[in-house]
Amino acid sequence: GNSVTQMEGPVTLSEEAFLTINCTYTATGYPSLFWYVQYPGEGLQLLLKATKADDKGSNKGFEATYRKETTSFHLEKGSVQVSDSAVYFCALIDTIGTASKLTFGTGTRLQVTL
Amino acid sequence: DGGITQSPKYLFRKEGQNVTLSCEQNLNHDAMYWYRQDPGQGLRLIYYSQIVNDFQKGDIAEGYSVSREKKESFPLTVTSAQKNPTAFYLCASSGLAGPYNEQFFGPGTRLTVL
Repeated sequence: GNSVTQMEGPVTLSEEAFLTINCTYTATGYPSLFWYVQYPGEGLQLLLKATKADDKGSNKGFEATYRKETTSFHLEKGSVQVSDSAVYFCALIDTIGTASKLTFGTGTRLQVTL
Repeated sequence: DGGITQSPKYLFRKEGQNVTLSCEQNLNHDAMYWYRQDPGQGLRLIYYSQIVNDFQKGDIAEGYSVSREKKESFPLTVTSAQKNPTAFYLCASSGLAGPYNEQFFGPGTRLTVL
């Protein structure tokens, strides 16, 4: 079956540091890939997505590139802010009829300090 | 504003009681989903529904039940058969299937069994 593996957290960085959160996946075919973010006590928000190999998703300074050869979708940001502190989930999607099934990684908590 | 609402935000129940979590969306989405989130884990799919009056079990359906009588509503009942119901429950919805078939999430309900 499909699976997503993320680096374990928590990740603690100083403000303006460079961020990388690793994500690799196992799937049949070439699923679309997503990064979701969850702020404390809230639901998930879509951060960025990529639907095919070599696509780069980007949003709010975050980027991730769909790498078919390494089955990876690592999240990066050049300069993190305190407001980026949250849990980040990598996910892939399967289409099931007219619905879809998301398979999530376990999440990586990011803590940014001044 | 279009979105997904879940109520209540916090819910407490005694062991042996059934409890129903509400989920409403005004995005005109056909598909709706329920996920469970436990600390340090990714989200796991409980049930999903592709259209009105139809729903399918997800990966962890035991001890849960759902209904889909209206397009905009997908309530989840946590029954007394669920052995460990304390968790954060998230509802989501999506449009028609496809590579851009992202899911939109509600703010979640935190259920605590006393």
